Amino acid sequence: DAKTTQPTSMDCAEGRAANLPCNHSTISGNEYVYWYRQIHSQGPQYIIHGLKNNETNEMASLIITEDRKSSTLILPHATLRDTAVYYCIVRPLSSGSARQLTFGSGTQLTVLP
Amino acid sequence: NAGVTQTPKFQVLKTGQSMTLQCAQDMNHEYMSWYRQDPGMGLRLIHYSVGAGITDQGEVPNGYNVSRSTTEDFPLRLLSAAPSQTSVYFCASSREGRGTEAFFGQGTRLTVV
Repeated sequence: DAKTTQPTSMDCAEGRAANLPCNHSTISGNEYVYWYRQIHSQGPQYIIHGLKNNETNEMASLIITEDRKSSTLILPHATLRDTAVYYCIVRPLSSGSARQLTFGSGTQLTVLP
Repeated sequence: NAGVTQTPKFQVLKTGQSMTLQCAQDMNHEYMSWYRQDPGMGLRLIHYSVGAGITDQGEVPNGYNVSRSTTEDFPLRLLSAAPSQTSVYFCASSREGRGTEAFFGQGTRLTVV
């Protein structure tokens, strides 16, 4: 699986957009980009995933660059409850998700009041 | 909809004791996995299963056994607990197929003294 690089920590003001970057310069053509978050050492929670097109759901938007070497997770209106560690993961298409999630250290996002 | 249920939530063991961490899912998912998370670190894969009767090792399998006799259950057995196994353990499940999200349990906090 491709290696990812994320900033160790970020702050964001409540109500503002949180933009979390991820570098995955060695991503291959058959790998998705996934984002999960972990709040207060609870079980990780799925946020969103994408292959090459931008994706949006009720939680967030995922912007993947055209060369697929980096991506940005956008939380449009961050709340205090979005304070968590955010993990960017790349994994191949061909396997069940639970089997091959490789978690790095993630980004600690702190939403400030 | 219970999702992924782990029991117990907390456990203290003495060195050398054995125990089983339980994981059950009610989503009829084919894939199930066990991860451990040490303080300040990401999750590491211990064992996984692609279906009933089929299991395989992950990144850190030593000291742990698993079995999958039913689709719903995937217990993790510690054969002879060691202080190095003090960690938070997470179970995850997902359905087969490309690009599927994983669902995680709330974790079991294990301390070995």
